[in-house]
Amino acid sequence: EADIYQTPRYLVIGTGKKITLECSQTMGHDKMYWYQQDPGMELHLIHYSYGVNSTEKGDLSSESTVSRIRTEHFPLTLESARPSHTSQYLCASSFRRGDGDTQYFGPGTRLTVL
Amino acid sequence: AQTVTQSQPEMSVQEAETVTLSCTYDTSESNYYLFWYKQPPSRQMILVIRQEAYKQQNATENRFSVNFQKAAKSFSLKISDSQLGDTAMYFCAFMSSQGGSEKLVFGKGTKLTVNP
Repeated sequence: EADIYQTPRYLVIGTGKKITLECSQTMGHDKMYWYQQDPGMELHLIHYSYGVNSTEKGDLSSESTVSRIRTEHFPLTLESARPSHTSQYLCASSFRRGDGDTQYFGPGTRLTVL
Repeated sequence: AQTVTQSQPEMSVQEAETVTLSCTYDTSESNYYLFWYKQPPSRQMILVIRQEAYKQQNATENRFSVNFQKAAKSFSLKISDSQLGDTAMYFCAFMSSQGGSEKLVFGKGTKLTVNP
């Protein structure tokens, strides 16, 4: 399995709380991604980054924000959690060396907002 | 926008038998990449196999092989000698080679159960 880590693995939190989902990788990858996986298991890209100080929104609109201050770290923040944010969040990373580079996934964070 | 369709929400197979998972996609591009990812229950998503569209030869990885039909925009996954550990969600994914974004577009997945 790839060296990409996510914490916490499970989080149950009340509405209105601010949360940060952590993602880190030790592979020296330039590119990092956040996907949201709904209960039907479908995956949608919500954020990505090409490198330090680079962040872009993905295909699925999300109220979350991300930052990339260090190469190995790509946290996702929800300022005010709502029940509609309940989902599994997967982080991934890849090298920036050419086309079609394989993305390696973390174990995911399963978020439940009550 | 590209789309990926997996028409089989669930499949099952007996241990040691062969199973084929289907995937079709829609794109106007001539060069792109296709992937099959496996997500076991409560475990990490891992790459099964990768295909470059400009290569006509079908990719293989041990018991896993693909049937890539570019004209038909079809990318099926064949699992030979199925094992209990193959039980997982399987996702077909498309990646454009244009623009450098390298964003994956996933199908909705096929839940495969290997029965003893």
